[in-house]
Amino acid sequence: SSELTQDPAVSVALGQTVRITCHGDSLRNYYASWYQQKPGQAPLLVISGENIRPSGIPDRFSGSRSGNTASLTITGAQAEDEADYYCSSRDSSGSQVEFGGGTTVTVL
Amino acid sequence: QVHLVQSGAEVKQPGASVKISCKASGFTLSFYTMHWVRQAPGQRPEWMGWINGDKRRYSQKFQDRVTFTRDTSAGTAHMELTRLRYEDTAVYYCARDNGLPRGALDYWGQGTVVTVST
Repeated sequence: SSELTQDPAVSVALGQTVRITCHGDSLRNYYASWYQQKPGQAPLLVISGENIRPSGIPDRFSGSRSGNTASLTITGAQAEDEADYYCSSRDSSGSQVEFGGGTTVTVL
Repeated sequence: QVHLVQSGAEVKQPGASVKISCKASGFTLSFYTMHWVRQAPGQRPEWMGWINGDKRRYSQKFQDRVTFTRDTSAGTAHMELTRLRYEDTAVYYCARDNGLPRGALDYWGQGTVVTVST
């Protein structure tokens, strides 16, 4: 199976923009889903598909894909966006699901 | 309103089995694929597989130890993991697949802590 890789940590100033990336060969064929996870909580879907935001997710969250890289962008980061973010996608076989290693976002 | 409510924490000895339930409300369980995901402390989520009707797909890592079932009349899904090891200590989640695209998990249970210890 393939692997999804993410930078371990990123920081962003309050109100600024941050992009979180996820790399993997399977992303050439399958869209990523993005999850936000805060301590002690279950993951929360923030973006899926081409750029689909579930109900209740602020529009400052957006997603994109290019080649083997999927990206989650937070435009105008807020203090409450401080969390771990995981990408997920089907693997290259299409039959399994995998998660990236996660990126910790710190809002300064 | 969609909710997934899981059964309570479990403490098991190595070699034992654990069965976790996931009660769905606010939607019809039989219309959706349900996934199971676990997360060990400080680790990334780890996909275990999915169930949809009579079809199941298990992660290669767990396929000889895990079984998914569901009782659609009761709106409940179950996950049983056998031959537990210390490294199975984790929070186990059920999650609904919204199909946008396949594998996007839009609602999660609150998690069930499983501790494997003597």
